[in-house]
Amino acid sequence: SQELEQSPQSLIVQEGKNLTINCTSSKTLYGLYWYKQKYGEGLIFLMMLQKGGEEKSHEKITAKLDEKKQQSSLHITASQPSHAGIYLCGADEAGGYNKLIFGAGTRLAVHP
Amino acid sequence: ETGVTQTPRHLVMGMTNKKSLKCEQHLGHNAMYWYKQSAKKPLELMFVYSLEERVENNSVPSRFSPECPNSSHLFLHLHTLQPEDSALYLCASSQDNMSPLHFGNGTRLTVT
Repeated sequence: SQELEQSPQSLIVQEGKNLTINCTSSKTLYGLYWYKQKYGEGLIFLMMLQKGGEEKSHEKITAKLDEKKQQSSLHITASQPSHAGIYLCGADEAGGYNKLIFGAGTRLAVHP
Repeated sequence: ETGVTQTPRHLVMGMTNKKSLKCEQHLGHNAMYWYKQSAKKPLELMFVYSLEERVENNSVPSRFSPECPNSSHLFLHLHTLQPEDSALYLCASSQDNMSPLHFGNGTRLTVT
């Protein structure tokens, strides 16, 4: 079965700094989703990438999909305390019905 | 995100109890999902319902019994659970099998 590995597992940055989170798949990526979770709460949808080379941005967050490398990256520019949380990548196992599997998550802390 | 509502938010139950988790979505979506999130483990897909028909049962023990009476409601009936079943149970919905999942805030279950 497909597995998603996220790196780093945790990250502490100073407010204003840029950062990147990576998600690597053990199999071909058919669709890649990025979510954010605050502790003990549900996941908030950030972005969906479906095509190799696709890049999407929302406010200060940019996500890219490298189909050949079976990898996606999430980049945050000028981080703020509001960016703190757990970032999870999810991928569709291509079985239909949105059978998403998720990485273990990257825990981000942003210090003022 | 208030489109998917889960109740209760917290639940403590003994191993011999029977309880139910409830999920309601107000987004007009056609698919609903149950996920389990345990400490230090990635999100695990449990069940998928599409148009009220179960289309995925991810090798979940029979002590977990889902029910989807209509496209807006999803239940997870619990009986004779084990302490290792303690986790955050997340409900999600999506418009179809190509659209992003929208998650509720989860039910934090503790089995004593």
